[in-house]
Amino acid sequence: DAGVTQSPTHLIKTRGQHVTLRCSPISGHKSVSWYQQVLGQGPQFIFQYYEKEERGRGNFPDRFSARQFPNYSSELNVNALLLGDSALYLCASSLWISGTYEQYFGPGTRLTVT
Amino acid sequence: GNSVTQMEGPVTLSEEAFLTINCTYTATGYPSLFWYVQYPGEGLQLLLKATKADDKGSNKGFEATYRKETTSFHLEKGSVQVSDSAVYFCALKADVSGNQFYFGTGTSLTVIP
Repeated sequence: DAGVTQSPTHLIKTRGQHVTLRCSPISGHKSVSWYQQVLGQGPQFIFQYYEKEERGRGNFPDRFSARQFPNYSSELNVNALLLGDSALYLCASSLWISGTYEQYFGPGTRLTVT
Repeated sequence: GNSVTQMEGPVTLSEEAFLTINCTYTATGYPSLFWYVQYPGEGLQLLLKATKADDKGSNKGFEATYRKETTSFHLEKGSVQVSDSAVYFCALKADVSGNQFYFGTGTSLTVIP
């Protein structure tokens, strides 16, 4: 089975622009989460969606938004980009296995804001 | 609140040395605990997990035991290989409020021949 896929792999934007990142979960997984990983740090939770509904939101400004589609794929949108938004954006899909949810991560989208 | 604290890196070991990466956590309720590994230029891969106190997770020679009394989940391997060079992240999922995972800052491991 294919793993979590993300597109694009790399992206360069300038300050003030808007960006859309895309994610396709593992087949059969209905939950998608987004994380921001700044260089040298652990991933920070941004959003979780389950069956198209937002189930959790991290401590990120309203410039960040997301949605999930009927096929469970997801988009993360960031408006009015700042230099500090430069990071690796990770998508993870989840499945309940052996008493807990396991998250499976995609390879990420490297966003550079100049 | 929920948080994870990992030992500072980077860690450099010779091949076949013993590895310990310390991880302690703070959580409400009874969290599940995980170790993830990130190879250069890649996303995170699940290495092992434990869902309740005294559980031992193991995979690829790595082990970690869920210690509720010390709120710890230290990662160990008896004999590391060059191919184990990567960044290791300890993480927890609280037993309430959805699927949010809390990650430590990561520990970089380099194994030299």
